[in-house]
Amino acid sequence: GAVVSQHPSRVICKSGTSVKIECRSLDFQATTMFWYRQFPKQSLMLMATSNEGSKATYEQGVEKDKFLINHASLTLSTLTVTSAHPEDSSFYICSASGGLMTGELFFGEGSRLTVL
Amino acid sequence: AQSVTQPDIHITVSEGASLELRCNYSYGATPYLFWYVQSPGQGLQLLLKYFSGDTLVQGIKGFEAEFKRSQSSFNLRKPSVHWSDAAEYFCAVGSTGGFKTIFGAGTRLFVKA
Repeated sequence: GAVVSQHPSRVICKSGTSVKIECRSLDFQATTMFWYRQFPKQSLMLMATSNEGSKATYEQGVEKDKFLINHASLTLSTLTVTSAHPEDSSFYICSASGGLMTGELFFGEGSRLTVL
Repeated sequence: AQSVTQPDIHITVSEGASLELRCNYSYGATPYLFWYVQSPGQGLQLLLKYFSGDTLVQGIKGFEAEFKRSQSSFNLRKPSVHWSDAAEYFCAVGSTGGFKTIFGAGTRLFVKA
């Protein structure tokens, strides 16, 4: 199957700083990527849909200015958590679509963000 | 509204015993159905998927699932569980391109020796 790599896997930062998480499709071109947030022992919550070359589509309740998404190439999408606060601490997971003819998603390994 | 329900928050089975994880969905059209597995601190891995055709689908690691339209269910089964199967299992419903994929709350599987 297709490989999606996410980096960093773990990051600790101070409150008020910004953190960037990268999501790369290693062996295929991903025109669409998805960013999820997962709280402990809970399911995945879709934050936004990232489209190559255009603005991301955010889900209701997700702050666009807090969670900046950039999808500048067919193999890279980034999520930047700006002015992070302890409540932003979470597990962030990206996924890439397997294509228009399939609903399958390929997931990155996830990034654990801890804001002190 | 579209939704996915996994009634069991956690399940414990003995190694070698059979397993069934339940999943019910609500979807307006013909759904694309998935089961994903997540190990602690990891991303999700696809176990199997159903788009159309044979309602009994085979996946990786010896898992299978059966789509029952009349019951709006897509239960995951495995005849003999291994200790390495302990993980979180998510049922999901989606559409082409992966858009608006909705995940269930997950079922944590514990395997006892």
